Amino acid sequence: ETGVTQSPTHLIKTRGQQVTLRCSSQSGHNTVSWYQQALGQGPQFIFQYYREEENGRGNFPPRFSGLQFPNYSSELNVNALELDDSALYLCASSAGQEVYGYTFGSGTRLTVV
Amino acid sequence: QQQVKQSPQSLIVQKGGISIINCAYENTAFDYFPWYQQFPGKGPALLIAIRPDVSEKKEGRFTISFNKSAKQFSLHIMDSQPGDSATYFCAASPVGGGNKLTFGTGTQLKVEL
Repeated sequence: ETGVTQSPTHLIKTRGQQVTLRCSSQSGHNTVSWYQQALGQGPQFIFQYYREEENGRGNFPPRFSGLQFPNYSSELNVNALELDDSALYLCASSAGQEVYGYTFGSGTRLTVV
Repeated sequence: QQQVKQSPQSLIVQKGGISIINCAYENTAFDYFPWYQQFPGKGPALLIAIRPDVSEKKEGRFTISFNKSAKQFSLHIMDSQPGDSATYFCAASPVGGGNKLTFGTGTQLKVEL
């Protein structure tokens, strides 16, 4: 059984650029949730995808968008990057829309300069 | 708005001692309270979780104590070991599970020999 894998592990972007982060869900999981974890803080919910549809969104602007593919993998896209977007981006997969049984990936560390 | 408050921010415990981390929540709709452990460079991993219908849950050296009237819950790590050194996050999710976790700000635990 494979876990949640995220790519890339580290990324450096310039302010104003766009970035795409990728997540492969754990085998048997059909739901993917994305979280942003700023340095020294707890993760904050960005949004969740279930059956390729956005299924709940946190307090993040529209320049944060996502996709889920038929194989349940997912992408997080961030446009017009700002310095405050620098954070660890975590993907969590689960078998169903509930938070029970979340499995987190190791994250993508994004630095915006 | 910080819906889950966690303390202390950091904690140093001697090997074999008891580590205690506290959380308080505001939203009475929360009904699922997990604790996560995070090592540097890794995503959070579920340690133990509790529902409000019980006041305590124990799994090995880890115990959650829950006080519904005070809207507080805590993690106790008995016989703390150097391998327990990590950041611990409490979290909460609303009635019906919902589709997101609200995390505390984290506690950095160091267990010294």
